[in-house]
Amino acid sequence: GAVVSQHPSRVICKSGTSVKIECRSLDFQATTMFWYRQFPKQSLMLMATSNEGSKATYEQGVEKDKFLINHASLTLSTLTVTSAHPEDSSFYICSAPRAQGSTEAFFGQGTRLTVV
Amino acid sequence: AQTVTQSQPEMSVQEAETVTLSCTYDTSESDYYLFWYKQPPSRQMILVIRQEAYKQQNATENRFSVNFQKAAKSFSLKISDSQLGDAAMYFCAYRSALETSGSRLTFGEGTQLTVNP
Repeated sequence: GAVVSQHPSRVICKSGTSVKIECRSLDFQATTMFWYRQFPKQSLMLMATSNEGSKATYEQGVEKDKFLINHASLTLSTLTVTSAHPEDSSFYICSAPRAQGSTEAFFGQGTRLTVV
Repeated sequence: AQTVTQSQPEMSVQEAETVTLSCTYDTSESDYYLFWYKQPPSRQMILVIRQEAYKQQNATENRFSVNFQKAAKSFSLKISDSQLGDAAMYFCAYRSALETSGSRLTFGEGTQLTVNP
C-alpha cells in the first residue's frame, strides 16, 4: 500500500536555530500534502496545506514566516521551523491523499521536535 | 467551519468486551466523509473505518462498526471483542466532500482507550 515517510522521527535543536522536517510519498505522487501539529494528549491541528508548484496555504494563526513549507516535487514536502523556540516543541505529522480528491489519507510517522 | 467533538477523554474496557466511543460533529454540508483513526503509542495514525455521509448503511470492518446518525450528527465507533492491541488514542475526523484538493481533515479531541486484561 501507499506509504508516507517522514524524517526525522525525533530532533532536538537549540533555541534560535532552524530545523527541517521532510515528508515523502514513497510509491505515489502527492500534489497536496498536509502538515499537522499535535501537542501532548491533544488532537491534530492542521497547520498548512502544501501544494506542489505553488505557495502553501496556512491556517489562521499559523505564522508562515516561522513555518516555511516547500513542496518542491510531487513526492516531497518540507516543513522548516525557523528560529525555533521552546514553545515550538511539539509533534508534527504530515499526510497525503492517495490520489487527487481521494478520501483516503496516509500519514507519516511524525516528528517529535524538542527545542532546548 | 466544521467541528468535531469527542466527549469522552478516556474510556476503558475489559478484554473481549465491547466498547462504544462517541463522536458528534457540526456541519452545514450535506455531503461529507467521517473517519475513525487510531493512534497507538508509536504515534502512527491508522485508519480504522470510514463512512460516506450519503450512505445510510453503517460501515463495518471486522470487529469495528459505526453507528452513523446523520440527522443527529452522531458517529460512534463500536469495538467488539476488544483486544489488548486496541489500546490507543482514537480520533474521530471529518472531511468535506467539497474539498477537492485532497484529504483535509478536522479531528476531534480524541478518546484514550485502555483495554484491561
